[in-house]
Amino acid sequence: KAGVTQTPRYLIKTRGQQVTLSCSPISGHRSVSWYQQTPGQGLQFLFEYFSETQRNKGNFPGRFSGRQFSNSRSEMNVSTLELGDSALYLCASSPSGYSNQPQHFGDGTRLSIL
Amino acid sequence: QKEVEQNSGPLSVPEGAIASLNCTYSDRGSQSFFWYRQYSGKSPELIMFIYSNGDKEDGRFTAQLNKASQYVSLLIRDSQPSDSATYLCAVRRPTGTASKLTFGTGTRLQVTL
Repeated sequence: KAGVTQTPRYLIKTRGQQVTLSCSPISGHRSVSWYQQTPGQGLQFLFEYFSETQRNKGNFPGRFSGRQFSNSRSEMNVSTLELGDSALYLCASSPSGYSNQPQHFGDGTRLSIL
Repeated sequence: QKEVEQNSGPLSVPEGAIASLNCTYSDRGSQSFFWYRQYSGKSPELIMFIYSNGDKEDGRFTAQLNKASQYVSLLIRDSQPSDSATYLCAVRRPTGTASKLTFGTGTRLQVTL
């Protein structure tokens, strides 16, 4: 069974640009969550999608948005990039997102802002 | 007070010893608890999860949960150099139909030869 696939693996952008990251969950998984990981803040929850609906959202500005498609694939968009957005962005999937279901992570997209 | 707290380490143990990693959480509504291992430059990898008070064993790993004291721990028996990594504790509290996973900042484990 293929794992969670994130593309691209690496991105370099400049301040003010926007970026879109993609995540394909494990086959059969319908819940997709996004996290930002930085050395200073650790892993922080961005949002969770299930059946094309955002079910939960973390404390990030509106520049961070996402969506989920009918095949459960998800995209995350960051607009007006800032230097502080440099981070590892991780996507995790689970069957339905219930509390007793572990989340499995993809390899992440490392975003660098110049 | 942080929602999930871990000692950042590094925790240094000799090869073959037992490594004990601890995690405390503040939200009594938390229902499920997860341990992830993260090697440098890699993504988190699920090791164990536990929902009920007591111990849960899987190979060399044992997760222990005490909801009354709000702590969860991970024991690694017969520690190997390949166990050297950062171990992340994650706690999940359902909010309606959704759930949010909150992570600690991780404990760095070093297994020495």
